[in-house]
Amino acid sequence: DAKTTQPPSMDCAEGRAANLPCNHSTISGNEYVYWYRQIHSQGPQYIIHGLKNNETNEMASLIITEDRKSSTLILPHATLRDTAVYYCIVRPHASGGYNKLIFGAGTRLAVHP
Amino acid sequence: DAGVTQSPTHLIKTRGQQVTLRCSPISGHKSVSWYQQVLGQGPQFIFQYYEKEERGRGNFPDRFSARQFPNYSSELNVNALLLGDSALYLCASSWTFEETQYFGPGTRLLVL
Repeated sequence: DAKTTQPPSMDCAEGRAANLPCNHSTISGNEYVYWYRQIHSQGPQYIIHGLKNNETNEMASLIITEDRKSSTLILPHATLRDTAVYYCIVRPHASGGYNKLIFGAGTRLAVHP
Repeated sequence: DAGVTQSPTHLIKTRGQQVTLRCSPISGHKSVSWYQQVLGQGPQFIFQYYEKEERGRGNFPDRFSARQFPNYSSELNVNALLLGDSALYLCASSWTFEETQYFGPGTRLLVL
């Protein structure tokens, strides 16, 4: 299973863009990059995912490098409510007919006024 | 649309007891996965069910079991509770076992 490396913590000023990096140098060609976030003691919230191309939705943008060894989650205008732990996950190929998400320690993002 | 729901929200048990946690998936989702999150760590995969069959199991002892019902809801059972079973138990649902998983709010279990 491909592992991910994220900085343990980051700060961001309210209203500015938050750029959260993730390294996944052992990713395989058919593995997706997923991002979830977890606000204190709540269930993880799905944000976005991608395979090769950059993706954007109403919450965030996902930029994946051409070699797919790293990615960046961008929150374009961070608010205080974006303070959370952000998890970058490489979703393993559904071998054996099932799919599990492997969570690391994530990045604790603090958005301050 | 209703998201994934879990019950109860909180639970206190004593060592040696048994507990049953319940999960209702998003309407139309046929796969349910269970995760355990110990304080300070990321969630760990316990089980995945799809179309009422166990499709995958994480590295958890046989004290942990689950099932999925014809309406795709699911129960997680833990027998002979240990102090170390204290955690947030998360349920996630998806259309199939390969699709994006959406999490519920969790059940917080405290074992005394």
